Amino acid sequence: RKEVEQDPGPFNVPEGATVAFNCTYSNSASQSFFWYRQDCRKEPKLLMSVYSSGNEDGRFTAQLNRASQYISLLIRDSKLSDSATYLCVVNTGFQKLVFGTGTRLLVSP
Amino acid sequence: EADIYQTPRYLVIGTGKKITLECSQTMGHDKMYWYQQDPGMELHLIHYSYGVNSTEKGDLSSESTVSRIRTEHFPLTLESARPSHTSQYLCASEHRGGGDEQFFGPGTRLTVL
Repeated sequence: RKEVEQDPGPFNVPEGATVAFNCTYSNSASQSFFWYRQDCRKEPKLLMSVYSSGNEDGRFTAQLNRASQYISLLIRDSKLSDSATYLCVVNTGFQKLVFGTGTRLLVSP
Repeated sequence: EADIYQTPRYLVIGTGKKITLECSQTMGHDKMYWYQQDPGMELHLIHYSYGVNSTEKGDLSSESTVSRIRTEHFPLTLESARPSHTSQYLCASEHRGGGDEQFFGPGTRLTVL
């Protein structure tokens, strides 16, 4: 079983739609959680950290459920520029980050 | 924008050649990492360093080696390239105590013929 699992997608949505991604992690001792964004053939960039209480940054909302060991990312009012791969990333407690395969999002006009 | 650089950006080379992929950062970050990523696949950690003279192997077995003689520089070397080494190599750095955010370089896309 992979340490971090994501639905690879792609998720095809129209502009303005709301889309949600989920991610599960296997190590209950994991300490910190992130969503990174990776554009096609580019490097990953931090989108947002995920806090236990949930956090919001504009159209993006991240939630953490430690009991069920999953993380979610909600994108409201999707824009064409949101098209990318969204990587779920977990610090498993060994001071290294483990990256999920990513979920690909395609926003169409 | 992160100040982390990788050269070359693209490299096509024949089997058996020795190659060095360069990675430099000007942010004074202690921690540096090398990842390997095949198209559509997840990043795999192949090497990391917590500071000068510190190097460790990552989770994915790799025939490459690294060195960390200066804080800003973390080169990766393949003594004898093979077609199985064809991949994208991403370098990243992180400030110790910086909340785990890693900044990535643009990557080197390596093709071994």
